[in-house]
Amino acid sequence: GAVVSQHPSWVICKSGTSVKIECRSLDFQATTMFWYRQFPKQSLMLMATSNEGSKATYEQGVEKDKFLINHASLTLSTLTVTSAHPEDSSFYICSARYRDRDYEQYFGPGTRLTVT
Amino acid sequence: GQNIDQPTEMTATEGAIVQINCTYQTSGFNGLFWYQQHAGEAPTFLSYNVLDGLEEKGRFSSFLSRSKGYSYLLLKELQMKDSASYLCAVRDRPRSTLTFGKGTMLLVSP
Repeated sequence: GAVVSQHPSWVICKSGTSVKIECRSLDFQATTMFWYRQFPKQSLMLMATSNEGSKATYEQGVEKDKFLINHASLTLSTLTVTSAHPEDSSFYICSARYRDRDYEQYFGPGTRLTVT
Repeated sequence: GQNIDQPTEMTATEGAIVQINCTYQTSGFNGLFWYQQHAGEAPTFLSYNVLDGLEEKGRFSSFLSRSKGYSYLLLKELQMKDSASYLCAVRDRPRSTLTFGKGTMLLVSP
């Protein structure tokens, strides 16, 4: 099946620093990637939709200057959390849509971010 | 707006059958998805329904009634490894993203 990887799987950073999370589709081309955030015992909340070669579309309430998304190729999207604060601590999950089968979304393993 | 409801928790016994319900009210409809998520891991795709009826895939089946805004996921011959959160998600139009329910935590006991 389609495989999506994320790196790092977990990261601890100090308040005020920036953290970059990578999302890669390993064996398929993903024209669209999605970034979600999940708090403990909560569902996945969509942060933004990223299309290759164009600007990301952010959901209401998500600060685009704080959560920078770049989708430079059909297999790579990055999320950079800038000037991180403890309230940004969460589980960040990316998802990629298979180019030729747009009804399926495949999820990465997630990145646990802890801001101290 | 979008609203997706599913029970918070369910318990069942190994070997039994369990049905997890999901109701939705969305501005449009272009498919209902079920995902399984183990703690600390990403969701994995289980099923997709866009037409009314039952879709069977091994021990898992998913049912959809569009007129009622209702779906269920049926798990047969439960195993301990089926203990996980089950997420119902709806896509409201073609090529849009998914809106997820809060998930149903299923605990399978011996």
